Amino acid sequence: KQEVTQIPAALSVPEGENLVLNCSFTDSAIYNLQWFRQDPGKGLTSLLLIQSSQREQTSGRLNASLDKSSGRSTLYIAASQPGDSATYLCAVRPHNAGNMLTFGGGTRLMVKP
Amino acid sequence: ETGVTQSPTHLIKTRGQQVTLRCSSQSGHNTVSWYQQALGQGPQFIFQYYREEENGRGNFPPRFSGLQFPNYSSELNVNALELDDSALYLCASSLELNPRRDTEAFFGQGTRLTVV
Repeated sequence: KQEVTQIPAALSVPEGENLVLNCSFTDSAIYNLQWFRQDPGKGLTSLLLIQSSQREQTSGRLNASLDKSSGRSTLYIAASQPGDSATYLCAVRPHNAGNMLTFGGGTRLMVKP
Repeated sequence: ETGVTQSPTHLIKTRGQQVTLRCSSQSGHNTVSWYQQALGQGPQFIFQYYREEENGRGNFPPRFSGLQFPNYSSELNVNALELDDSALYLCASSLELNPRRDTEAFFGQGTRLTVV
C-alpha cells in the first residue's frame, strides 16, 4: 500500500528565505507526482506535475524534483514571500489505481514579514 | 480558477440525515474523483467516475455513493451521516486519455460539511 509522508509538518520562516519541502513515498511504481497549494478552508491549486520519467519541473520561484528510485520529491521555493503562506501537499498517482491520488499530510508554511 | 465548481460551499446536517454534494467538472474532462479531507490531514480518495461508471473506490463504506452524468458532472451522496463525516469534500476532474503518465487533476474549492 502506497504511503506518502511530508516533512516537516509545519515550517515558519522569515520573508526572503529559500526553503525546501520534502515528500517521500514508499512505492516507486508511480505514474506521476503532483504538488498542490491549499489556503485555509479552500480547495487545492495545482502547482507542478512531474511525470515519472522526469527529474524536475519549474514554475516561477518554484522548482520540484523527483527521485523515483529513492521515493523522494522536494519542492524548492526561492525568495519566500508572506503570500506563500499556505499548506503544501504532495500526491502520487500509483500504478494500477486509475486516476486515484495518494496524498501526504501536508506541510503548513508560514512566511513572516 | 480551475473551472471545477462545487456546491454548496458550506452545509450543516444532523447525524442520521442524508446529504448530496455536487460537482461540475472542467470543460473537456471526462473523469471525476471525490476526496474527503479531515481537518489537518491530507485528502483521502473516496471514489472515481469515468464515463458515468465507478471505476475505483477507496476505503469508504457503501453509504458513500455517487453518480456521474452525461455532461460529466457528478454527485456525492452520503447516507446515515455520522459525526466523523464532518470534513471538507473535494472534487477533482481530469481528462483520462492516458492516465498512466501525464494526467493532471484539477480540484474545486470544496464543500465544508459539518455534522452535528
